[in-house]
Amino acid sequence: GAVVSQHPSRVICKSGTSVKIECRSLDFQATTMFWYRQFPKKSLMLMATSNEGSKATYEQGVEKDKFLINHASLTLSTLTVTSAHPEDSSFYICSARGGLAQLNEQFFGPGTRLTVL
Amino acid sequence: DAKTTQPPSMDCAEGRAANLPCNHSTISGNEYVYWYRQIHSQGPQYIIHGLKNNETNEMASLIITEDRKSSTLILPHATLRDTAVYYCIVKNNDMRFGAGTRLTVKP
Repeated sequence: GAVVSQHPSRVICKSGTSVKIECRSLDFQATTMFWYRQFPKKSLMLMATSNEGSKATYEQGVEKDKFLINHASLTLSTLTVTSAHPEDSSFYICSARGGLAQLNEQFFGPGTRLTVL
Repeated sequence: DAKTTQPPSMDCAEGRAANLPCNHSTISGNEYVYWYRQIHSQGPQYIIHGLKNNETNEMASLIITEDRKSSTLILPHATLRDTAVYYCIVKNNDMRFGAGTRLTVKP
């Protein structure tokens, strides 16, 4: 299947700083990208959906000013956690899809573990 | 998207078939059934998907009932590396995860 990469794989930062996570589709053009977060022993929770060149659509309860998403090209989306706090520590996973939902698979990245001290 | 119900955990002996059930009684006609699994601290891995016919690939088989209200994922010869959380997802647009089934394959 198609490959989705994330960078960095893990990051530790101080409270109050901002952290940027990159998600790349390596061998296909991702018209839609998704960002999920996962707390320990819990399932993945969809945070937001972004289409290339458009503003992201955030799920209810997810602060758009806190989690800035940029999908500027067909192979790259970034998630910036602004003014991170310890409660933002989580496993962040991106996913990418090449076209229409009914016709195209959704591929997942390996995840980024964020620890905020 | 329709909701799915899966048992929280299951055990399976190594080398035996693992049969993971999923209920999706509110599925609508154009929604696919997808199965993913997640091994600890990794991203979800695609296993198989189907609409109404049974499907088989190198990893697993997917059996969907005629009324499409439930399905079963079959791992024909489970190995220790198949220990993971298995998610059944009914997808119309985006992929939303339920709690999944934690499958433990035991020697």
